[in-house]
Amino acid sequence: EAGVVQSPRYKIIEKKQPVAFWCNPISGHNTLYWYRQNLGQGPELLIRYENEEAVDDSQLPKDRFSAERLKGVDSTLKIQPAELGDSAVYLCASSWYRTLGETQYFGPGTRLLVL
Amino acid sequence: AQTVTQSQPEMSVQEAETVTLSCTYDTSESDYYLFWYKQPPSRQMILVIRQEAYKQQNATENRFSVNFQKAAKSFSLKISDSQLGDAAMYFCAYSGGSRLTFGEGTQLTVNP
Repeated sequence: EAGVVQSPRYKIIEKKQPVAFWCNPISGHNTLYWYRQNLGQGPELLIRYENEEAVDDSQLPKDRFSAERLKGVDSTLKIQPAELGDSAVYLCASSWYRTLGETQYFGPGTRLLVL
Repeated sequence: AQTVTQSQPEMSVQEAETVTLSCTYDTSESDYYLFWYKQPPSRQMILVIRQEAYKQQNATENRFSVNFQKAAKSFSLKISDSQLGDAAMYFCAYSGGSRLTFGEGTQLTVNP
């Protein structure tokens, strides 16, 4: 079974440029998560989707970040414009559903460097 | 809000020895799960072990076991017979009513 796929793996951009990350979850998983992981810290949730509905986006900086999950499968996370502080690893994860004990399966992440 | 604290930024262990990673958490919820995730240098986070708060018996998965002290809100991970492949960043995580909350991680080095 294929795992969570993310692309690109690395991205270097200049500040004020736009950037987009793509995620393909494990087949059949209804719940999709985007996390941001700053250097030396644990991941922090940005947004959670149940199928195509964003059910928890309280941590998403909506002035510059946007996300979509069309058809309830693949998802794209966008930053426009990027700032220096956005440099981090962006992780995508998926699970069957969001329950207390549900295992989340993580992708390898996209390492973003904003210059 | 729930918080997860890992007080050991770095730990090291000799191959074949045993090491314990510490984790404490703060919550007012009665129903929750606790997890240990491993993140090797390739960055893919992998579940190591999970514990349901209502279960008194400590979870075990092969060489990995936990010491869950609910009253003390403590959830430590013991790795027995450490192997070179255990070297990674280990994150303790809490799952309650809202979202999965991670600690800051413990970098484990395994010395041959």
